[in-house]
Amino acid sequence: GNSVTQMEGPVTLSEEAFLTINCTYTATGYPSLFWYVQYPGEGLQLLLKATKADDKGSNKGFEATYRKETTSFHLEKGSVQVSDSAVYFCALIRQAGTALIFGKGTTLSVSS
Amino acid sequence: DTGVSQDPRHKITKRGQNVTFRCDPISEHNRLYWYRQTLGQGPEFLTYFQNEAQLEKSRLLSDRFSAERPKGSFSTLEIQRTEQGDSAMYLCASSPPFRLAGGGDTQYFGPGTRLTVL
Repeated sequence: GNSVTQMEGPVTLSEEAFLTINCTYTATGYPSLFWYVQYPGEGLQLLLKATKADDKGSNKGFEATYRKETTSFHLEKGSVQVSDSAVYFCALIRQAGTALIFGKGTTLSVSS
Repeated sequence: DTGVSQDPRHKITKRGQNVTFRCDPISEHNRLYWYRQTLGQGPEFLTYFQNEAQLEKSRLLSDRFSAERPKGSFSTLEIQRTEQGDSAMYLCASSPPFRLAGGGDTQYFGPGTRLTVL
C-alpha cells in the first residue's frame, strides 16, 4: 500500500543551523508529494509541494526535491530560526480527489 | 479568501453523548475532506465529498460517525455515542475544482476541532 516514513523526532537545533528532515515514501504510480507544517495550537499549513520527479518545491527558505529513484522527499533549510519550531509532516497523494497519506510528523525545536 | 473554518475549536463531552462539528470550506472549493489526528500521529483520512456527494469513506469511519454536505457548501461531522477513543483533533480540508488554476491535489486545512471525551 501507500505509505510515508519520516525520521523520528524531536529534532533540536540552534538558531542558524542547517536542517534536514528525512522522508521516504512507498506508492504506486506517480504521487504528488507535500510538506505541511503545524505550529502549536494551529491547523496544518502547506509548506511546499512537488508533483513530478526531479521537481523542487520551495517556500520560506525550505526546499525539498522529489527523488523517484530513492523514493525520497527530504526537507532542508540552510539556516533555521526560532520561529520554525513546529511539527513537520511529509505527505503524498496518489491523485487529486483522493486522501492525503501522512507520515507521523517530526517535531523541530529551535533555540536561540 | 478567509480560509477553511471549523466550529467549535474545542469540545469536551461525556462518554455516550453525541457531538457535531461544522466545517466551512474556502469559497468555490468543491471538494471537502475530513481527517482525524491523534496525539503524536499524522492525520488519518475519514471521508471525502465532491460537491454534495460523499465519494469515499475510510474504514476508520465507524457506524457511529456520519458526515454530510447537504448543499455542497459547509459540512458536518457527527459522532454518536462518543467513546474515549474518539478523543482527537478533527481536521477539515478543502480543494479547488480541477478546472481552476492551481486546482487539483492541494488540500487546505482548517484549524481543527479538538474533541475530548471524558
